[in-house]
Amino acid sequence: SAVISQKPSRDICQRGTSLTIQCQVDSQVTMMFWYRQQPGQSLTLIATANQGSEATYESGFVIDKFPISRPNLTFSTLTVSNMSPEDSSIYLCSVKRGSEDTQYFGPGTRLTVL
Amino acid sequence: GQQLNQSPQSMFIQEGEDVSMNCTSSSIFNTWLWYKQDPGEGPVLLIALYKAGELTSNGRLTAQFGITRKDSFLNISASIPSDVGIYFCAGLNYGGSQGNLIFGKGTKLSVKP
Repeated sequence: SAVISQKPSRDICQRGTSLTIQCQVDSQVTMMFWYRQQPGQSLTLIATANQGSEATYESGFVIDKFPISRPNLTFSTLTVSNMSPEDSSIYLCSVKRGSEDTQYFGPGTRLTVL
Repeated sequence: GQQLNQSPQSMFIQEGEDVSMNCTSSSIFNTWLWYKQDPGEGPVLLIALYKAGELTSNGRLTAQFGITRKDSFLNISASIPSDVGIYFCAGLNYGGSQGNLIFGKGTKLSVKP
């Protein structure tokens, strides 16, 4: 597995502001992903963070709302822009190593938007 | 789109009892994964299945990749209080985006001591 940390672990934000979430892995990984888990719900993939190029977004998610960076093989950020209460969720990063199909998840960032 | 039907949605059992939960889909998956999520934590991988018919154990947990590649089950034997949490199945189909794990809606397990 991989040791994955996320910052912040939780935050309470005002409507209209933006929050950047960091994901750090203890070793190089081939792929990094960002998921959203709305209260009491399952996980939904937001995007794949590509190193050195624009992220690949899933249907229903756009770069203007969720800009993503991945400057190297161990670090990625997700920004939740112009937040509204509907953005209140847990945001999780996950990683894949080598050619494995398995994904390992970080501890998540619990976001509350007032 | 692809969907996974996970059941049951929740379970209330007595300590020591065995537990069974499953996921089904109308689509074929190449990989099945089972995760457990504790409150305030990210999902933790329990078992990964890569081959139709595969039966894999991890301690008191046993999971199987259905022969049709459209279903999987997870069994927990002799449950203990720390088994409490939400269990998610997830399927991966190479036809989708490489990261596109499809998650079930979860099974919430409660264990009475």
